Amino acid sequence: GAVVSQHPSWVICKSGTSVKIECRSLDFQATTMFWYRQFPKQSLMLMATSNEGSKATYEQGVEKDKFLINHASLTLSTLTVTSAHPEDSSFYICSASDREHSPLHFGNGTRLTVT
Amino acid sequence: AQSVTQLGSHVSVSEGALVLLRCNYSSSVPPYLFWYVQYPNQGLQLLLKYTSAATLVKGINGFEAEFKKSETSFHLTKPSAHMSDAAEYFCAVSAGGGNKLTFGTGTQLKVEL
Repeated sequence: GAVVSQHPSWVICKSGTSVKIECRSLDFQATTMFWYRQFPKQSLMLMATSNEGSKATYEQGVEKDKFLINHASLTLSTLTVTSAHPEDSSFYICSASDREHSPLHFGNGTRLTVT
Repeated sequence: AQSVTQLGSHVSVSEGALVLLRCNYSSSVPPYLFWYVQYPNQGLQLLLKYTSAATLVKGINGFEAEFKKSETSFHLTKPSAHMSDAAEYFCAVSAGGGNKLTFGTGTQLKVEL
């Protein structure tokens, strides 16, 4: 089945630094990938829709200059948390699908801790 | 716009007992509905999906869900709970095209001996 690989699985960084998270579709091409944020014991909040070759579409309330998304190829999207602060600490999950209305395949998530 | 409501943030059952996790949806167009399971510190795994075909959908690990339009519901069931079923379960809806999912708040399932 379709596999989405997310890296790293966890990262600890200092306040003020930037962190890049990668999301790769391993055996299919994903024109669209999605980035979610999940707070402890809460649901997934869609942050942005990443479109290959074009700018990401951000959900209301998500700072696009803080959460930079790049979708340079059909198999790779990256999320960069710029100038991270402790309140950015969270679980970030990406997902992708090979076609419209087919189930999304999720990465295993990245646990970000900003100290 | 679409939304999902999961009743009961925590459900506890005995091993071998029936599992019932409730999900109600709201959508202005025919919905696509999904159930996902999440284990600690992991991503989501698809259990099953409804895409306007059969109203009773069978998924992995013995789970199934029935789409009831009149009740706007898509409850998840499993006849006999297993310890390995303990996890967080999310109902999600996709409507109006695309793969943009709206998730419910999740239900934590606990299975006791």
